[in-house]
Amino acid sequence: NAGVTQTPKFQVLKTGQSMTLQCAQDMNHNSMYWYRQDPGMGLRLIYYSASEGTTDKGEVPNGYNVSRLNKREFSLRLESAAPSQTSVYFCASSDGGGGFNQPQHFGDGTRLSIL
Amino acid sequence: QKEVEQDPGPLSVPEGAIVSLNCTYSNSAFQYFMWYRQYSRKGPELLMYTYSSGNKEDGRFTAQVDKSSKYISLFIRDSQPSDSATYLCAMSRYNFNKFYFGSGTKLNVKP
Repeated sequence: NAGVTQTPKFQVLKTGQSMTLQCAQDMNHNSMYWYRQDPGMGLRLIYYSASEGTTDKGEVPNGYNVSRLNKREFSLRLESAAPSQTSVYFCASSDGGGGFNQPQHFGDGTRLSIL
Repeated sequence: QKEVEQDPGPLSVPEGAIVSLNCTYSNSAFQYFMWYRQYSRKGPELLMYTYSSGNKEDGRFTAQVDKSSKYISLFIRDSQPSDSATYLCAMSRYNFNKFYFGSGTKLNVKP
């Protein structure tokens, strides 16, 4: 019963490097989300995918791209990492839609440091 | 102004105390309200989920929503050291897939 799985758990990058954060859920949820969490800022939505085949920008999308690979998987890409992107990244999923919002379920995060 | 405001704490209480955690919000369209618990270096874990106004109880936890005041609360009875964590409130609108989070309140329950 894995729920939401994120890889890697930790990563250190140099400024300008690129990387992709992976997320997979096994709950057959329609919606998936990427957040970043910084001290004192709470969770800020980067991108979300309401259903397979769709993606939308959240509150802080600049510097990121996403791909909803299939219903299970939603990846987040940093094309040219910057120190301001040092954060903890969380993926979440929910069975939203149909007028009744289900709550989100989170992975355990990826801790990303950019030097 | 943030959509959801939450006092960051930290809140320190002795074991066995009743804890009250609160959030205020500005958007009257919010109808779904959630409380998450987050342990250090872990993801948020759903604790309580309520729709519209009223109270919901689950064991030692009670979630309360007052839509007229735009105020939600989480009460923890007989608090335990294992309750020490950061508590996040979250809310969303009807038929809308985006969720708005408070910044979290850090709770420390001392043995």
